[in-house]
Amino acid sequence: QQPVQSPQAVILREGEDAVINCSSSKALYSVHWYRQKHGEAPVFLMILLKGGEQKGHEKISASFNEKKQQSSLYLTASQLSYSGTYFCGAPMTTDSWGKLQFGAGTQVVVTP
Amino acid sequence: DAGVIQSPRHEVTEMGQEVTLRCKPISGHDYLFWYRQTMMRGLELLIYFNNNVPIDDSGMPEDRFSAKMPNASFSTLKIQPSEPRDSAVYFCASSKETVYGYTFGSGTRLTVV
Repeated sequence: QQPVQSPQAVILREGEDAVINCSSSKALYSVHWYRQKHGEAPVFLMILLKGGEQKGHEKISASFNEKKQQSSLYLTASQLSYSGTYFCGAPMTTDSWGKLQFGAGTQVVVTP
Repeated sequence: DAGVIQSPRHEVTEMGQEVTLRCKPISGHDYLFWYRQTMMRGLELLIYFNNNVPIDDSGMPEDRFSAKMPNASFSTLKIQPSEPRDSAVYFCASSKETVYGYTFGSGTRLTVV
């Protein structure tokens, strides 16, 4: 069962902020975040390994709320280069940490 | 480092033909993953290896699909016989550990006509 991402899509003007959520009906043990530009491969942004953890990559940051089985990705002061589809991925069991299930993705369009 | 290298970048084949996709992971990465991406199903994990040993192949669609990793620097994904519904972008990814981020290759766009 894959994580659920919301929203499906968001359009921003340069400089605006956005939040992408990733939630699961089952326990989340860790969360990966990736960005994929059209026609390219997904690129790793960050991984959160435990509840309460927060990380940042440029002006993109993420949090992980283990109890709520949710992670959020924050795009702050968005730039044109932030456009792309963002995926969260999580192992659905502790037996197979490598078995990463990805959400359906959130398409982000940043306009001038 | 050159990153994860996949070949070919594009493959067009006729239904019923055998297709072999190739992947060279990053040196020192002990984990290798094969993913398939389609508009309908998103990114699906097909199989992953640890130290050249297949760990989980539950995502392999059916017996027509097989994957091998004969050594630490090479893996193949084979489809025989291919069908139009196999058309997708196939990504190979590698990682040092499952708690590290995955590095994806550029992918192979497979079209089966």
